[in-house]
Amino acid sequence: KNEVEQSPQNLTAQEGEFITINCSYSVGISALHWLQQHPGGGIVSLFMLSSGKKKHGRLIATINIQEKHSSLHITASHPRDSAVYICAAVNTGNQFYFGTGTSLTVIP
Amino acid sequence: KAGVTQTPRYLIKTRGQQVTLSCSPISGHRSVSWYQQTPGQGLQFLFEYFSETQRNKGNFPGRFSGRQFSNSRSEMNVSTLELGDSALYLCASTPDAPRNTEAFFGQGTRLTVV
Repeated sequence: KNEVEQSPQNLTAQEGEFITINCSYSVGISALHWLQQHPGGGIVSLFMLSSGKKKHGRLIATINIQEKHSSLHITASHPRDSAVYICAAVNTGNQFYFGTGTSLTVIP
Repeated sequence: KAGVTQTPRYLIKTRGQQVTLSCSPISGHRSVSWYQQTPGQGLQFLFEYFSETQRNKGNFPGRFSGRQFSNSRSEMNVSTLELGDSALYLCASTPDAPRNTEAFFGQGTRLTVV
Protein backbone atom coordinates (compact mmCIF):
# COMPACT_ATOMS: atom_id res chain seq x y z
CA LYS A 1 0.00 0.00 0.00
CA ASN A 2 1.32 3.44 -0.95
CA GLU A 3 1.80 5.93 1.85
CA VAL A 4 0.11 8.58 -0.32
CA GLU A 5 -2.98 7.88 -2.41
CA GLN A 6 -4.38 10.28 -4.99
CA SER A 7 -7.66 10.29 -6.81
CA PRO A 8 -8.70 10.38 -9.50
CA GLN A 9 -5.80 9.09 -11.59
CA ASN A 10 -7.17 10.73 -14.73
CA LEU A 11 -9.57 13.61 -15.08
CA THR A 12 -11.07 15.27 -18.13
CA ALA A 13 -13.00 18.49 -17.68
CA GLN A 14 -14.66 21.12 -19.82
CA GLU A 15 -13.19 24.58 -19.70
CA GLY A 16 -14.76 26.54 -16.84
CA GLU A 17 -15.52 23.54 -14.65
CA PHE A 18 -14.60 23.34 -10.97
CA ILE A 19 -12.04 20.60 -10.37
CA THR A 20 -11.10 18.72 -7.22
CA ILE A 21 -8.14 16.39 -6.77
CA ASN A 22 -7.87 14.41 -3.55
CA CYS A 23 -4.88 13.17 -1.60
CA SER A 24 -4.89 10.85 1.41
CA TYR A 25 -1.79 9.88 3.35
CA SER A 26 -1.01 7.35 6.02
CA VAL A 27 2.28 8.69 7.38
CA GLY A 28 2.77 11.36 10.00
CA ILE A 29 3.69 14.54 8.21
CA SER A 30 5.06 17.95 8.91
CA ALA A 31 3.95 19.33 5.54
CA LEU A 32 2.24 18.44 2.31
CA HIS A 33 3.21 19.79 -1.10
CA TRP A 34 1.12 20.07 -4.23
CA LEU A 35 3.18 19.95 -7.42
CA GLN A 36 2.33 20.54 -11.07
CA GLN A 37 4.18 18.79 -13.86
CA HIS A 38 3.79 19.73 -17.51
CA PRO A 39 4.78 17.53 -20.46
CA GLY A 40 8.55 17.66 -20.80
CA GLY A 41 9.07 17.06 -17.12
CA GLY A 42 9.34 20.47 -15.45
CA ILE A 43 7.82 20.51 -11.96
CA VAL A 44 6.44 23.59 -10.26
CA SER A 45 5.57 23.73 -6.58
CA LEU A 46 2.04 25.07 -6.19
CA PHE A 47 1.54 24.91 -2.44
CA MET A 48 3.19 23.83 0.76
CA LEU A 49 0.65 23.23 3.52
CA SER A 50 0.93 22.25 7.13
CA SER A 51 -2.60 23.25 8.15
CA GLY A 52 -5.73 24.97 6.93
CA LYS A 53 -6.12 26.42 3.49
CA LYS A 54 -4.10 28.39 0.93
CA LYS A 55 -5.19 30.20 -2.23
CA HIS A 56 -3.21 31.34 -5.26
CA GLY A 57 -5.38 32.82 -7.99
CA ARG A 58 -7.76 30.10 -9.18
CA LEU A 59 -6.06 27.39 -7.14
CA ILE A 60 -7.05 26.47 -3.61
CA ALA A 61 -5.44 23.82 -1.41
CA THR A 62 -6.82 22.53 1.87
CA ILE A 63 -5.55 20.06 4.41
CA ASN A 64 -7.24 18.24 7.28
CA ILE A 65 -4.50 16.93 9.56
CA GLN A 66 -6.87 14.84 11.71
CA GLU A 67 -8.34 13.06 8.69
CA LYS A 68 -4.95 12.89 6.87
CA HIS A 69 -6.49 14.32 3.75
CA SER A 70 -5.76 17.19 1.40
CA SER A 71 -7.56 18.54 -1.64
CA LEU A 72 -6.51 20.73 -4.54
CA HIS A 73 -9.28 22.73 -6.19
CA ILE A 74 -9.14 24.59 -9.49
CA THR A 75 -11.89 27.08 -10.12
CA ALA A 76 -12.87 28.14 -13.66
CA SER A 77 -10.53 25.58 -15.22
CA HIS A 78 -8.64 26.47 -18.39
CA PRO A 79 -6.84 24.36 -21.00
CA ARG A 80 -3.52 25.70 -19.71
CA ASP A 81 -4.26 23.91 -16.41
CA SER A 82 -3.79 20.61 -18.25
CA ALA A 83 -0.93 18.88 -16.47
CA VAL A 84 -0.15 16.17 -13.95
CA TYR A 85 -0.78 17.17 -10.34
CA ILE A 86 1.18 15.37 -7.64
CA CYS A 87 0.83 15.52 -3.90
CA ALA A 88 3.86 14.85 -1.73
CA ALA A 89 3.86 14.30 2.01
CA VAL A 90 6.98 15.23 3.97
CA ASN A 91 7.64 13.74 7.38
CA THR A 92 9.61 15.38 10.16
CA GLY A 93 12.75 13.73 8.83
CA ASN A 94 12.40 15.51 5.45
CA GLN A 95 11.51 12.21 3.77
CA PHE A 96 9.17 12.69 0.80
CA TYR A 97 6.32 10.33 -0.07
CA PHE A 98 4.72 10.97 -3.45
CA GLY A 99 1.29 10.21 -4.81
CA THR A 100 1.08 8.66 -8.27
CA GLY A 101 -0.30 11.84 -9.76
CA THR A 102 -3.54 12.98 -11.36
CA SER A 103 -3.46 13.64 -15.07
CA LEU A 104 -5.79 16.53 -15.84
CA THR A 105 -6.99 17.46 -19.31
CA VAL A 106 -9.14 20.55 -19.74
CA ILE A 107 -11.00 20.68 -23.04
CA PRO A 108 -11.85 24.05 -24.59
CA LYS B 1 17.16 35.15 -9.35
CA ALA B 2 18.29 32.16 -11.42
CA GLY B 3 16.33 28.96 -10.96
CA VAL B 4 17.56 25.47 -10.22
CA THR B 5 19.87 24.28 -12.98
CA GLN B 6 20.43 20.65 -13.81
CA THR B 7 23.04 19.41 -16.23
CA PRO B 8 23.08 17.69 -18.56
CA ARG B 9 19.45 17.70 -19.73
CA TYR B 10 19.76 14.47 -21.66
CA LEU B 11 22.17 11.58 -21.36
CA ILE B 12 22.55 8.20 -23.00
CA LYS B 13 24.75 5.62 -21.29
CA THR B 14 25.53 1.97 -21.76
CA ARG B 15 24.68 -0.68 -19.17
CA GLY B 16 27.55 -1.08 -16.72
CA GLN B 17 28.84 2.46 -17.08
CA GLN B 18 28.58 5.11 -14.42
CA VAL B 19 27.08 8.59 -14.62
CA THR B 20 27.29 11.86 -12.71
CA LEU B 21 24.49 14.39 -12.72
CA SER B 22 24.76 17.96 -11.45
CA CYS B 23 22.33 20.28 -9.71
CA SER B 24 22.95 23.95 -8.95
CA PRO B 25 20.39 25.26 -6.46
CA ILE B 26 18.95 28.72 -6.20
CA SER B 27 21.47 31.09 -4.66
CA GLY B 28 21.16 31.00 -0.87
CA HIS B 29 19.41 27.63 -0.76
CA ARG B 30 21.24 25.10 1.35
CA SER B 31 19.07 22.00 0.91
CA VAL B 32 19.14 19.92 -2.26
CA SER B 33 16.96 16.85 -2.74
CA TRP B 34 17.14 14.31 -5.56
CA TYR B 35 14.27 12.29 -7.05
CA GLN B 36 13.86 9.59 -9.66
CA GLN B 37 10.77 9.53 -11.85
CA THR B 38 9.83 6.50 -13.95
CA PRO B 39 6.54 5.66 -15.68
CA GLY B 40 6.12 2.57 -13.51
CA GLN B 41 7.14 3.86 -10.08
CA GLY B 42 6.35 7.56 -10.34
CA LEU B 43 8.41 9.98 -8.29
CA GLN B 44 10.68 8.48 -5.66
CA PHE B 45 12.92 10.22 -3.17
CA LEU B 46 16.62 9.45 -3.50
CA PHE B 47 18.35 11.61 -0.91
CA GLU B 48 18.59 15.07 0.59
CA TYR B 49 21.71 17.11 1.33
CA PHE B 50 22.05 20.08 3.60
CA SER B 51 25.29 21.96 4.24
CA GLU B 52 27.36 19.21 2.60
CA THR B 53 25.79 16.45 4.73
CA GLN B 54 23.35 13.79 3.63
CA ARG B 55 20.39 14.16 5.97
CA ASN B 56 18.01 11.63 4.48
CA LYS B 57 18.11 8.74 2.09
CA GLY B 58 15.37 6.84 0.27
CA ASN B 59 15.26 3.13 -0.48
CA PHE B 60 17.73 2.89 -3.31
CA PRO B 61 20.73 0.59 -3.64
CA GLY B 62 24.23 1.77 -2.82
CA ARG B 63 24.92 2.28 -6.53
CA PHE B 64 23.15 5.59 -6.08
CA SER B 65 25.22 8.14 -4.21
CA GLY B 66 25.54 11.86 -3.96
CA ARG B 67 27.44 14.71 -2.47
CA GLN B 68 27.12 18.40 -1.88
CA PHE B 69 29.80 21.03 -2.16
CA SER B 70 30.42 24.09 -0.02
CA ASN B 71 28.62 26.28 -2.57
CA SER B 72 25.54 24.01 -2.17
CA ARG B 73 25.87 22.55 -5.66
CA SER B 74 25.14 18.86 -5.59
CA GLU B 75 26.02 15.87 -7.70
CA MET B 76 24.53 12.43 -7.81
CA ASN B 77 26.34 9.41 -9.14
CA VAL B 78 24.98 6.11 -10.35
CA SER B 79 27.49 3.33 -10.81
CA THR B 80 27.14 0.09 -12.75
CA LEU B 81 24.12 1.35 -14.65
CA GLU B 82 21.20 -0.98 -15.26
CA LEU B 83 18.46 -0.67 -17.87
CA GLY B 84 15.99 0.05 -15.06
CA ASP B 85 17.91 3.19 -14.12
CA SER B 86 16.51 4.89 -17.21
CA ALA B 87 14.46 7.71 -15.75
CA LEU B 88 14.02 11.43 -15.31
CA TYR B 89 16.19 12.59 -12.42
CA LEU B 90 15.01 15.74 -10.72
CA CYS B 91 16.54 17.87 -8.04
CA ALA B 92 14.89 20.48 -5.88
CA SER B 93 16.31 23.17 -3.66
CA THR B 94 14.93 24.87 -0.57
CA PRO B 95 16.42 27.43 1.81
CA ASP B 96 16.48 24.92 4.64
CA ALA B 97 14.33 21.89 5.37
CA PRO B 98 11.92 20.83 2.57
CA ARG B 99 9.19 20.42 5.15
CA ASN B 100 9.30 24.12 5.95
CA THR B 101 9.16 25.79 2.55
CA GLU B 102 8.08 25.34 -1.05
CA ALA B 103 10.57 23.46 -3.15
CA PHE B 104 12.00 24.73 -6.43
CA PHE B 105 12.63 22.06 -9.02
CA GLY B 106 15.06 21.86 -11.88
CA GLN B 107 14.04 20.74 -15.37
CA GLY B 108 15.55 17.35 -14.79
CA THR B 109 18.09 15.12 -16.49
CA ARG B 110 16.62 12.42 -18.68
CA LEU B 111 18.90 9.39 -18.50
CA THR B 112 18.57 6.56 -20.96
CA VAL B 113 20.53 3.37 -20.35
CA VAL B 114 20.95 1.13 -23.38
